[in-house]
Amino acid sequence: AQSVSQHNHHVILSEAASLELGCNYSYGGTVNLFWYVQYPGQHLQLLLKYFSGDPLVKGIKGFEAEFIKSKFSFNLRKPSVQWSDTAEYFCAVEAYGGSQGNLIFGKGTKLSVKP
Amino acid sequence: GAVVSQHPSRVICKSGTSVKIECRSLDFQATTMFWYRQFPKQSLMLMATSNEGSKATYEQGVEKDKFLINHASLTLSTLTVTSAHPEDSSFYICSASRASRGRGETQYFGPGTRLLVL
Repeated sequence: AQSVSQHNHHVILSEAASLELGCNYSYGGTVNLFWYVQYPGQHLQLLLKYFSGDPLVKGIKGFEAEFIKSKFSFNLRKPSVQWSDTAEYFCAVEAYGGSQGNLIFGKGTKLSVKP
Repeated sequence: GAVVSQHPSRVICKSGTSVKIECRSLDFQATTMFWYRQFPKQSLMLMATSNEGSKATYEQGVEKDKFLINHASLTLSTLTVTSAHPEDSSFYICSASRASRGRGETQYFGPGTRLLVL
């Protein structure tokens, strides 16, 4: 069965620190990859997505993610975090074949940014 | 654009009663709607997918007679938890997509409904 793992449950950073959140998935076929963010008290919002082409994807608010097919990874990065980036971040994978169109989510990583 | 609402945001009910949760796409037509369940500190688990006008497709292990889904229009899907029990207490989240059930289309999420069954 396909699965998505996010390595860190809770990450605490100071403002201006660099961020990298890990995401690995288990599926040997073609995938679409997503990062969603949930700010406190708000619903899930799309940060960025990868379908094909350049494996380095740029999203909103200065976030980017790199798809490394050989590592089955899609890590999220931001060079300099802000207090307003405090949120929970979910990686999700959409696998081709079988239950196509369905998103499989990781457990989420909570990011706390200290001012 | 692409706003999805859910109603109610929170509901408390007695064991044995049924609860209906509505999911609406406010500014776009949602060909496909998804229902997820989220347990504390766990990821979202897909329960079912529905396309407007057709029967929902349930994920393995999800009882279709327990969780009734109706996607009556391009802007409304409902999830009814029938004969709710305390173990059904959870956070239910819907999402909507403009595309028919397929690949690559962004899902827009609702704010979720917290269900507590006493």
